[in-house]
Amino acid sequence: DAKTTQPPSMDCAEGRAANLPCNHSTISGNEYVYWYRQIHSQGPQYIIHGLKNNETNEMASLIITEDRKSSTLILPHATLRDTAVYYCIVLHRPYNTDKLIFGTGTRLQVFP
Amino acid sequence: GAVVSQHPSRVICKSGTSVKIECRSLDFQATTMFWYRQFPKQSLMLMATSNEGSKATYEQGVEKDKFLINHASLTLSTLTVTSAHPEDSSFYICSAQKQTTGLAGVPDTQYFGPGTRLTVL
Repeated sequence: DAKTTQPPSMDCAEGRAANLPCNHSTISGNEYVYWYRQIHSQGPQYIIHGLKNNETNEMASLIITEDRKSSTLILPHATLRDTAVYYCIVLHRPYNTDKLIFGTGTRLQVFP
Repeated sequence: GAVVSQHPSRVICKSGTSVKIECRSLDFQATTMFWYRQFPKQSLMLMATSNEGSKATYEQGVEKDKFLINHASLTLSTLTVTSAHPEDSSFYICSAQKQTTGLAGVPDTQYFGPGTRLTVL
């Protein structure tokens, strides 16, 4: 399984961009990178995923390096409601089953 | 949309009793659902993969006779914690996989329910 490494915590001022890094140096060529976040006492919320190309949706942008060994999740204008634990996950796909193996994530604190 | 619900949101039970938790995909069909457990201040741990119409596949160390999973329809999976004990107290979360592209080799995204907090006295 490709493991991910994330900083345990980060701070961001409200209105500024939050850039959350993730290292996944052992990722295989056909493995996707997924990002979820979990607000306290709730189920995780899907944010975005990608394989090779950069991706953008209404919530965030995902920048994947050319060698695919790391990625960055960008929240362009952080709000207080973005305070959460953010998980970067390399999707594990044994026997055509998609398994999300959660690590410890990054606790993002957005402050006023 | 991709909405997943769980019922109940909270349950308190006595030691030795069984508790059933329901997971429903409200606006899509899910051939595959997953069950996770999360202890305080820890990350989510995958317990089992539930496939509609077949037996669940359990992760190593998860007792299949204690955590009974039934996925009888494309929108409903249930987790029954049998003979619950205080150490089973946890936050139980399900996810449902929604077909996104249908293309071979492209994974389908998992959407999570809000979780069920189980307290065993």
